[in-house]
Amino acid sequence: KNQVEQSPQSLIILEGKNCTLQCNYTVSPFSNLRWYKQDTGRGPVSLTIMTFSENTKSNGRYTATLDADTKQSSLHITASQLSDSASYICVVSGVPPGGSYIPTFGRGTSLIVHP
Amino acid sequence: NAGVMQNPRHLVRRRGQEARLRCSPMKGHSHVYWYRQLPEEGLKFMVYLQKENIIDESGMPKERFSAEFPKEGPSILRIQQVVRGDSAAYFCASSPSRLDVTQYFGPGTRLTVL
Repeated sequence: KNQVEQSPQSLIILEGKNCTLQCNYTVSPFSNLRWYKQDTGRGPVSLTIMTFSENTKSNGRYTATLDADTKQSSLHITASQLSDSASYICVVSGVPPGGSYIPTFGRGTSLIVHP
Repeated sequence: NAGVMQNPRHLVRRRGQEARLRCSPMKGHSHVYWYRQLPEEGLKFMVYLQKENIIDESGMPKERFSAEFPKEGPSILRIQQVVRGDSAAYFCASSPSRLDVTQYFGPGTRLTVL
C-alpha cells in the first residue's frame, strides 16, 4: 500500500531560525515528489517538484532534497518568517502499472513561526 | 489569469439534502481532480476527470457521490443524501495535461452537515 509519512507532526520555531521537515514514502515505482504549502483555510500551493534524477531543488528560502534509494525527502526552510506558518505537505506519485499516478498525500507538518 | 475557482466556499446542509460543489479550472486546463480533506487528515484523492470523461474514480464512494466535467461550464461534485461524515473540505485541482505533474489547487469548499 502506498504510504507517505511526515515528521514531525507539528513544529514551533522562532522567527529567523531554520528548520527541516521530513518525508518518508513507500510509493514504488517512483515518479515524482512534491512539497506543498497550505495556509489555514486555503488550498495547497506547490513549492517544489522533484523527479527520480533530482536530489536537490530550491525555491527561494525553501530547499528540498530527495534520496530515491532510501525513499526519503526533506524540506529545509531557511531564515523563517512569520508567513511561513502553515502546513507543509509531501505528495508522492508513482508510475503505472506497478505504481499509481494518483498522488498519495502525507498528513502534513504544521509549522508555527513565533516572533 | 485567474486561478482555480471553487464555489461556494462554505456550504451547510442538513442530513439527507444534496450538496453541489463547483470547480472552474484555470484557463487552458482540461484536467480536473477532486480531493477530500477530513480534519487532521491528509488530502485523499476522489476522482480525476477530463472534459466530458471520468478518467479515474477509484477514490470516490460508490454511492451518493458523483462527478462530472461537461464540455461547457465548471466541474461539479455532487453528494446526495448527505450524512454527517461527509463534513470535510473538498478541494479541486487542475492541470493542463495528464502528464503535467503540477496541479493547481482551488481554495476549497468547506461542507458542514448538520
